[in-house]
Amino acid sequence: DAGVIQSPRHEVTEMGQEVTLRCKPISGHNSLFWYRQTMMRGLELLIYFNNNVPIDDSGMPEDRFSAKMPNASFSTLKIQPSEPRDSAVYFCASSWTGGNQPQHFGDGTRLSIL
Amino acid sequence: GENVEQHPSTLSVQEGDSAVIKCTYSDSASNYFPWYKQELGKRPQLIIDIRSNVGEKKDQRIAVTLNKTAKHFSLHITETQPEDSAVYFCAASIIGTGNQFYFGTGTSLTVIP
Repeated sequence: DAGVIQSPRHEVTEMGQEVTLRCKPISGHNSLFWYRQTMMRGLELLIYFNNNVPIDDSGMPEDRFSAKMPNASFSTLKIQPSEPRDSAVYFCASSWTGGNQPQHFGDGTRLSIL
Repeated sequence: GENVEQHPSTLSVQEGDSAVIKCTYSDSASNYFPWYKQELGKRPQLIIDIRSNVGEKKDQRIAVTLNKTAKHFSLHITETQPEDSAVYFCAASIIGTGNQFYFGTGTSLTVIP
């Protein structure tokens, strides 16, 4: 099992640029979660999908953030335009929702906006 | 919605001593409680979990206890080792909510050799 795969692992870009983060969940998992982690705010849930459908996006900070899940094996989180305060580690996690199951996290994308 | 509080935020123990981290939750419908360990620069990894029909679960040096009446659960690490140094997160989940987790704010554990 390859686990949850995120890309890129690191991203450094200038403010105003578009940033796209990618996630491939574990095969067979039907829920996908995007988190943001900072020292100040800890681990925040941004949005999650169940069977490719967005269920709760109340954690998305602003309209500059958007997420899609076009199929069961791929999701993107996009920031446009990016700002320095978006600098954080972004994690993707997946799970199976048939009963109580753990979420499995990817290695994260460390994003720095200059 | 669910609110999970975690204490302490930092904890230092001598190698070989025990460490205890406590979490409380607000929604009595929560029925699944995982614990994650996050080493510096790494991803959170599940170390143990407990379901609401169980009061205690052990896995080698790690144990978790659950008190449904008081709505709190705790992580116990015995015979701590330097490699136990990490940030630990508790979480609560309610079945039927798409497996959304409500995480605590984390405990930074330092084991002093």
